[in-house]
Amino acid sequence: KQEVTQIPAALSVPEGENLVLNCSFTDSAIYNLQWFRQDPGKGLTSLLLIQSSQREQTSGRLNASLDKSSGRSTLYIAASQPGDSATYLCAVRPNSGGYQKVTFGTGTKLQVIP
Amino acid sequence: DVKVTQSSRYLVKRTGEKVFLECVQDMDHENMFWYRQDPGLGLRLIYFSYDVKMKEKGDIPEGYSVSREKKERFSLILESASTSQTSMYLCASSLRGSSEKLFFGSGTQLSVL
Repeated sequence: KQEVTQIPAALSVPEGENLVLNCSFTDSAIYNLQWFRQDPGKGLTSLLLIQSSQREQTSGRLNASLDKSSGRSTLYIAASQPGDSATYLCAVRPNSGGYQKVTFGTGTKLQVIP
Repeated sequence: DVKVTQSSRYLVKRTGEKVFLECVQDMDHENMFWYRQDPGLGLRLIYFSYDVKMKEKGDIPEGYSVSREKKERFSLILESASTSQTSMYLCASSLRGSSEKLFFGSGTQLSVL
């Protein structure tokens, strides 16, 4: 059974700092990996989707990388801002089965201090 | 952009009541999902639908049922609400296909008293 771990559970950084969030998974037979952000009491907003054949995806100040062989993905946030404060979750879709088989991490709660 | 709309942000219900949670998506997605999210447990799949009138049980279907009579609408039904069903409920949708993203609604925080 796939296990997805996000460490640390919480992170606090000063504004302007570059930071990396981690997502580890135990089964490397994945189809894709998606990063989300979740604001308190709200739903998940999709940030980036990386297919298993890709190494990275970029959107604005965000860059997500994928290393299937080591079972890791990282989300890099450049020049962090207070508006980036949220919980960030990764979701791993396996090779076999569709989105109903997705496994979510429990998230990293990020606080960017002005 | 895809819009997934959940009819209520907050709901307060009594034990034993029948509860309906509604979800509508506007992008002709085949797949729709209901999750619940609890602190320390993360997101858990309740039910999944891949087409009109088609459904599959997820990891925690007990105490829930679903209905999908139209492609754009997926309803979650709590036949007899219990306090253990107090949770954040999240609806999601996606196109059928490997490269497609999962899109979520804004969530419904349900409290059962």
